[in-house]
Amino acid sequence: KQEVTQIPAALSVPEGENLVLNCSFTDSAIYNLQWFRQDPGKGLTSLLLIQSSQREQTSGRLNASLDKSSGRSTLYIAASQPGDSATYLCAVPPPTMDTGRRALTFGSGTRLQVQP
Amino acid sequence: NAGVTQTPKFRILKIGQSMTLQCTQDMNHNYMYWYRQDPGMGLKLIYYSVGAGITDKGEVPNGYNVSRSTTEDFPLRLELAAPSQTSVYFCASSYSTGANVLTFGAGSRLTVL
Repeated sequence: KQEVTQIPAALSVPEGENLVLNCSFTDSAIYNLQWFRQDPGKGLTSLLLIQSSQREQTSGRLNASLDKSSGRSTLYIAASQPGDSATYLCAVPPPTMDTGRRALTFGSGTRLQVQP
Repeated sequence: NAGVTQTPKFRILKIGQSMTLQCTQDMNHNYMYWYRQDPGMGLKLIYYSVGAGITDKGEVPNGYNVSRSTTEDFPLRLELAAPSQTSVYFCASSYSTGANVLTFGAGSRLTVL
């Protein structure tokens, strides 16, 4: 059974800092990984989707990396801003050989607060 | 373009009552999902559907039922509500499984007293 872990559970940083959020997964036979953002009381918004053939994906100040062999992904946020305050979740699809379950497995998220 | 629409946004139920959470998507997505999110936790899959007329259980299906009579709609039925079902429920859809970006609704916050 795929398990996804995110560390730390919460993070508070001053504005302007660069920061890294971590995601680890137990079964490396995945074909992509997604990072989502969730604002309080809202649904999830997809930020980045990394295919297994890619090692990095960038969108603005966000950079996500994927290392399948070690079962890890990181989300790097450059020059953090108060507007970045939210919960960030990573999610993986079923392992490529698992045809029985067809939905994403989510980590519990990292709650980020950027202090002005 | 509405995306994924969930209703109601908030609901309070008494123990033993029943209700249906509605979910509609206008993107012609084949795959639809219901997740629940408990405080400080990730999302757990309740049910999913790969197309009209086809549904399957996720991790935590007990106490819930779904149907998928059309591509657009995927309602979630709670029978005999229990306090353990107090949670935020999210509906999501995608064009195919895993490989495409998942689009989420805004969520339905349910409290069972």
